[in-house]
Amino acid sequence: QVQLRESGPGLVKPSQTLSLTCTVSGGSVSSGPNYWSWFRQSAGKGVEWVGRISASETSNYNPSLKSRVTISIDTSKNQFSLMVSSVTAADTAVYYCARDRRAYSYGYGYYYYMDVWGKGTTVTVSS
Amino acid sequence: QSVLTQPPSTSGTPGQRVTISCSGTSSNIGTNSVNWYQHLPETAPQLLIYFNNQRPSGVPERFSGSKSGTSASLAISGLQSDDEADYYCVAWDDGLNGWVFGGGTHLTVL
Repeated sequence: QVQLRESGPGLVKPSQTLSLTCTVSGGSVSSGPNYWSWFRQSAGKGVEWVGRISASETSNYNPSLKSRVTISIDTSKNQFSLMVSSVTAADTAVYYCARDRRAYSYGYGYYYYMDVWGKGTTVTVSS
Repeated sequence: QSVLTQPPSTSGTPGQRVTISCSGTSSNIGTNSVNWYQHLPETAPQLLIYFNNQRPSGVPERFSGSKSGTSASLAISGLQSDDEADYYCVAWDDGLNGWVFGGGTHLTVL
């Protein structure tokens, strides 16, 4: 059974770069036509999609964050990572990683859904 | 403010049936399928419904989903105390070219 686990510093100073890693176990980041996503949820706010990447390194990002976000993948380590530059207090959130699984329905075509999530890791931006 | 609209809270008594609505637009629910998640604090979100009405293995038949036009709904029948959690709808948005969420609905089992 595939499991995901987020890791990284819990405290980041303003203007610095937030870096998180999602380690995949029980499966491979290279298997299947899947994407690997990052999400975040700030206290009292909704869930926000940050971006995603495929094993072939095709990526797309939330336009509101695109200028500050980089997602990368390391198939040799079975991990994918998130970097958010120039962070402010607004980047304080619980960050989650998830697998975007691709499926097919006859008559509809391909579709995606997040079928496995990590438990999340809290990142606080503060001096 | 979330792109998809859900009621912030709902409640029911054990054994009752509750529904949670999710409203979107033509660029998300109107065009793409809807997924539903159950989330408890400090745990991984759990997939309840995918592709509008499909249940992953292990999810009880008490949970069901539907979609019509630009709206979707999650129904939970035979309510149990363990169902007390936050529920989120999610859909791909063709304008954003990314996932959009509802604000979440907190279900209280009285």
